[in-house]
Amino acid sequence: GDQVEQSPSALSLHEGTGSALRCNFTTTMRAVQWFRKNSRGSLINLFYLASGTKENGRLKSAFDSKERYSTLHIRDAQLEDSGTYFCAAEGNNRIFFGDGTQLVVKP
Amino acid sequence: EAAVTQSPRSKVAVTGGKVTLSCHQTNNHDYMYWYRQDTGHGLRLIHYSYVADSTEKGDIPDGYKASRPSQENFSLILELASLSQTAVYFCASSDDAETLYFGSGTRLTVL
Repeated sequence: GDQVEQSPSALSLHEGTGSALRCNFTTTMRAVQWFRKNSRGSLINLFYLASGTKENGRLKSAFDSKERYSTLHIRDAQLEDSGTYFCAAEGNNRIFFGDGTQLVVKP
Repeated sequence: EAAVTQSPRSKVAVTGGKVTLSCHQTNNHDYMYWYRQDTGHGLRLIHYSYVADSTEKGDIPDGYKASRPSQENFSLILELASLSQTAVYFCASSDDAETLYFGSGTRLTVL
């Protein structure tokens, strides 16, 4: 979307490696969520942040409202991490979605 | 760029009333989805469709019906609206079941 620029649009990783996804915002956002879309179309909530960082297993996310960005780091990638990841940012009483990152983890 | 249009943008409904949320996409996408988003929670899938005249239940279908009369249109119907259905609803479409294109959302308040 226009308010959220998500990158990269596609990412290929070998098992055991890591990388970061990023969302840049054109305006100040109040909070950000990161999702992963499963095969049924359900969006699995990974993180919800109003500030700072959160970590869960091999995933870590950071949100800086002032600098207008959020990141999602994946380490030690596994085959089951493959999927499409989205960020969604809350601002101006609306939610703005990134366009998604298609992650493929290869053996 | 993919365009998904939801209407209305917001709505106030009374408990027990019927509510219909509409979604229209102009990109010839086969897949369409309805999600609800509650404050502090992630999006949850209500219903989805991968072809006209057919709908499938998502993760939280109770209290909702869906209708896909054409490839372009996908409606979400609350026959008897309840307080617990106050939420923001998002429609999305996809051409490959991977990349989602979201509408702007409909804020529904049930009183």
